[in-house]
Amino acid sequence: GAVVSQHPSRVICKSGTSVKIECRSLDFQATTMFWYRQFPKQSLMLMATSNEGSKATYEQGVEKDKFLINHASLTLSTLTVTSAHPEDSSFYICSARTSGSTATQYFGPGTRLLVL
Amino acid sequence: AQSVAQPEDQVNVAEGNPLTVKCTYSVSGNPYLFWYVQYPNRGLQFLLKYITGDNLVKGSYGFEAEFNKSQTSFHLKKPSALVSDSALYFCAVRDGDSSNTGKLIFGQGTTLQVKP
Repeated sequence: GAVVSQHPSRVICKSGTSVKIECRSLDFQATTMFWYRQFPKQSLMLMATSNEGSKATYEQGVEKDKFLINHASLTLSTLTVTSAHPEDSSFYICSARTSGSTATQYFGPGTRLLVL
Repeated sequence: AQSVAQPEDQVNVAEGNPLTVKCTYSVSGNPYLFWYVQYPNRGLQFLLKYITGDNLVKGSYGFEAEFNKSQTSFHLKKPSALVSDSALYFCAVRDGDSSNTGKLIFGQGTTLQVKP
């Protein structure tokens, strides 16, 4: 199947700093990528849909100025958590979708963020 | 509105026995159905999908799922469970009649525990 990478896999930062997470589709081009947040033993919560060359679409309740998304190429989307606080600590998972009407979403391995 | 229900938080099965993880869905248009598996601290791995055609879909690692339109179900099955199948399983649906930017809606997940 298609491969999606995510970097870093784990990051610890101080409160008030910014953290950037990269998501890459390694063997396919993805005009659409997605960013999710997952709390322990819970399902995935969609944060935003990232479209190549245009602004991301954020889900209700997600602060676009806090979670900056850039989708500059067909294989790379980045999520920047700005001015991170302890409540932003979570598991962040990206996903890239193949093209076509029967497209499949493939997921990255996730990034564990801990804000101290 | 689209929704997915996984009625069991946890399924326990002995190694070598058949397993079933249940999923029912609600979608206004044609359902595109997916199963993913998540191992601890990892992203989601794609198992299989139903778009159209044969109601019985075969996927990775010996898993299969049967689409039942009248019961709006898409249960995941495997004839003989392995201890290594123990993980968190997610069912997801996308409205096939929406535009190509349709979002995946996830169930709450079912933990599969296979005991030796």
